[in-house]
Amino acid sequence: EPEVTQTPSHQVTQMGQEVILRCVPISNHLYFYWYRQILGQKVEFLVSFYNNEISEKSEIFDDQFSVERPDGSNFTLKIRSTKLEDSAMYFCASSEARGLAFFGPGTRLTVL
Amino acid sequence: LAKTTQPISMDSYEGQEVNITCSHNNIATNDYITWYQQFPSQGPRFIIQGYKTKVTNEVASLFIPADRKSSTLSLPRVSLSDTAVYYCLVGDNDYGQNFVFGPGTRLSVLP
Repeated sequence: EPEVTQTPSHQVTQMGQEVILRCVPISNHLYFYWYRQILGQKVEFLVSFYNNEISEKSEIFDDQFSVERPDGSNFTLKIRSTKLEDSAMYFCASSEARGLAFFGPGTRLTVL
Repeated sequence: LAKTTQPISMDSYEGQEVNITCSHNNIATNDYITWYQQFPSQGPRFIIQGYKTKVTNEVASLFIPADRKSSTLSLPRVSLSDTAVYYCLVGDNDYGQNFVFGPGTRLSVLP
């Protein structure tokens, strides 16, 4: 069964550093998403991506965040200058044009 | 996107059937109802999706009344491994939808 994969599973970084979280969506999917979940809180939408551009973003997705699909398989989330409050699980998801989203296992980001 | 309301938590015992009801009074004509399951430190996992009436798969059943203002996820004969948070989401499937997760229902299955 195809699945979304994410790397790394755990990323530790110092405040102010840049991090890149990587995702490989399901191969025939056209829509890609990033969500985050702060420990003990609900899953929050960050951004959706279609046809090589952002289709929607939340108020959380400010200028320090960016997404990219650098090749035909990877989908990345970059945080330019991490803050303590960026510590969370980050989930990538993908969906077909008329389908539901499948989520990856997540990357735990710890900002020290 | 339609707002959903679910119980914050439920307890059950192994072997029992569990029914979790979600209210979505302002569901739109094109909206589908999707349920996800999430274990701690894991990504949400798709359980079932439906539009109207009843849908059943190997994991669960989804009951949707004619007015579609609510839906009920039914888990038959739960086990300890079904302890998780269950999310009800409502949205349009015609194009990639941005799921809005509520707090979900925390199901605890007791021995």
